[in-house]
Amino acid sequence: AQKITQTQPGMFVQEKEAVTLDCTYDTSDQSYGLFWYKQPSSGEMIFLIYQGSYDEQNATEGRYSLNFQKARKSANLVISASQLGDSAMYFCAIKRGSGGSNYKLTFGKGTLLTVNP
Amino acid sequence: GAGVSQSPSNKVTEKGKDVELRCDPISGHTALYWYRQSLGQGLEFLIYFQGNSAPDKSGLPSDRFSAERTGGSVSTLTIQRTQQEDSAVYLCASSLEGSGRKYEQYFGPGTRLTVT
Repeated sequence: AQKITQTQPGMFVQEKEAVTLDCTYDTSDQSYGLFWYKQPSSGEMIFLIYQGSYDEQNATEGRYSLNFQKARKSANLVISASQLGDSAMYFCAIKRGSGGSNYKLTFGKGTLLTVNP
Repeated sequence: GAGVSQSPSNKVTEKGKDVELRCDPISGHTALYWYRQSLGQGLEFLIYFQGNSAPDKSGLPSDRFSAERTGGSVSTLTIQRTQQEDSAVYLCASSLEGSGRKYEQYFGPGTRLTVT
């Protein structure tokens, strides 16, 4: 079984500053993929970034980067230059297989990020 | 192009009634997933369809829950004899296998189910 732990129920950050959202995972698989999704108050789930277990470099997508530390089983999301529109719930998730294979996602309980002006 | 659509957006039903929730995935996507999100919680996997393979039903919480996917496209999630603990947002997602780095699941807007 796979498990995601997000230990920060809520986080606050000042606009234009960087923030790190924590995510640790547990899996016995050698091949897996890690995701971060954003869920604004409107409710839609927005894909942010993906990291495969065999990817040697940390994933980056614009202002988002994933700090992947495989030995520590952590996949923290770093948001640089926070914007007011970043205020949302953020979910970390894991799936089996790191390639293009489809599989169900196991989600953490999420972190509510509030960006202050 | 069109994203994942779900209907209805909101459903209020009385305890004990049956409900059907519909999901239209992105055209051509081979995989379809149902998740449930209870208030203030993360998403809980329910069921997964991949092409013509037998669905992965391992997340269905009870035999009151069932789902089908017709013609490899539209899916219906049915909850029989609804209970108050079934109240949640039901999210559908679809994805395309093997398309390079198209790893992500695309989510619909969800159906908010309230059982009174």
